[in-house]
Amino acid sequence: DGGITQSPKYLFRKEGQNVTLSCEQNLNHDAMYWYRQDPGQGLRLIYYSQIVNDFQKGDIAEGYSVSREKKESFPLTVTSAQKNPTAFYLCASRRVSTDTQYFGPGTRLTVL
Amino acid sequence: SQQGEEDPQALSIQEGENATMNCSYKTSINNLQWYRQNSGRGLVHLILIRSNEREKHSGRLRVTLDTSKKSSSLLITASRAADTASYFCATDEDRDSSYKLIFGSGTRLLVRP
Repeated sequence: DGGITQSPKYLFRKEGQNVTLSCEQNLNHDAMYWYRQDPGQGLRLIYYSQIVNDFQKGDIAEGYSVSREKKESFPLTVTSAQKNPTAFYLCASRRVSTDTQYFGPGTRLTVL
Repeated sequence: SQQGEEDPQALSIQEGENATMNCSYKTSINNLQWYRQNSGRGLVHLILIRSNEREKHSGRLRVTLDTSKKSSSLLITASRAADTASYFCATDEDRDSSYKLIFGSGTRLLVRP
């Protein structure tokens, strides 16, 4: 899992609530990514950021929001507009000029 | 969108046997990567092969890439129980410089002691 931390490990949310998932990296990587993984499935890209104060939507951005105010941090907010948020969320980072992404340990979000 | 599709979806082998997983993709790529995921954990990068390479080795791993068939294979030799995990291929599309990865749905490997 390298120098990427995600918190909390498990998160429970009531319907209608917004929740924020934390992702911090100490690898000095410029690019950061958020993915969603459903049971038995691959990863789908939610948002990504290649530099501070800039980010782009991925394939499934609806119902999610992000910010990138610091290089080390890329928090993901799951809003009440996300219809089916129960999933495993993975954060990753990448150093510019390389192609490999390094992943955090993940946050499992369950909507009650 | 999911570009890479792995085959088989699940594989069960005896310790010591070789495991082969295949990945197919749809568009031209810069590179193809293989990642491993233990249950409930993050992904770990295994190996990257560029579009101008045909084969690459790393320890017990051997990856091949056939760009004409848009396919790749991952071979794990002399498998161990600790190799039990899900394996994903991911492609870095050639369209732009966003460095987005598109992941397949994975192969779940079980290595029986």
